[in-house]
Amino acid sequence: QVQLQESGPGLVKPSQTLSLTCTVSGGSISSDTYYWSWIRQYPGKGLEWIGCISYSGTTYYIPSLKGRVTMSLDTSKNQFSLRLSSVTAADTAVYYCARSFNDLFDRWGQGTLVTVSS
Amino acid sequence: DIQMTQSPSSLSASVGDRVTITCRTSQSITSYLNWYQQRPGKAPKLLIYAASSLQSGVPARFSGSISGTDVTLTISGLQPEDFATYFCQQSYSTPFTFGPGTKVDIK
Repeated sequence: QVQLQESGPGLVKPSQTLSLTCTVSGGSISSDTYYWSWIRQYPGKGLEWIGCISYSGTTYYIPSLKGRVTMSLDTSKNQFSLRLSSVTAADTAVYYCARSFNDLFDRWGQGTLVTVSS
Repeated sequence: DIQMTQSPSSLSASVGDRVTITCRTSQSITSYLNWYQQRPGKAPKLLIYAASSLQSGVPARFSGSISGTDVTLTISGLQPEDFATYFCQQSYSTPFTFGPGTKVDIK
């Protein structure tokens, strides 16, 4: 059973960079069947897909975050990562990593709350 | 971007009730619509994909259907563990988007 687990700081100062890592166990991120996604959930409960990365490193980012977001893979550690620069309070959310299969999300991490505050 | 709406935004129901939630999209997405359940403090869980296919391990009381741009999630015989928030998600085109959610609570 594939499991995903997010890790990273829970508090980030405004204008700094948010960095999160998702560790995948029970399966390889090098599989060509899946993409690996980041999704965030705002305090008001709305969900926003941030983007995804494939086993080969191909990425897709939502247009509203382009220029601020970077995703990467570390196949040696079976991890993928999210970096979001120049954060503001509007980036405060629970961040989930998820496995994408046929453009749906069939496995999710437990989520990690990231608060942007000085 | 494809816009998603859900109705109702919340509902109160009793154990054993039949519950219907509707998701509407701003354009036709054929059957590229998925449903998720989120219990408090937990991550969303995939229930139904491609509008009407039940994800492995999901009870058969959950079902989905599509009619034009309206996609419906039905819970036949609500159980205590079904009190949660339900989200739809379109996988027709990027960026993939979610509905605002429907909260099902106990009457």
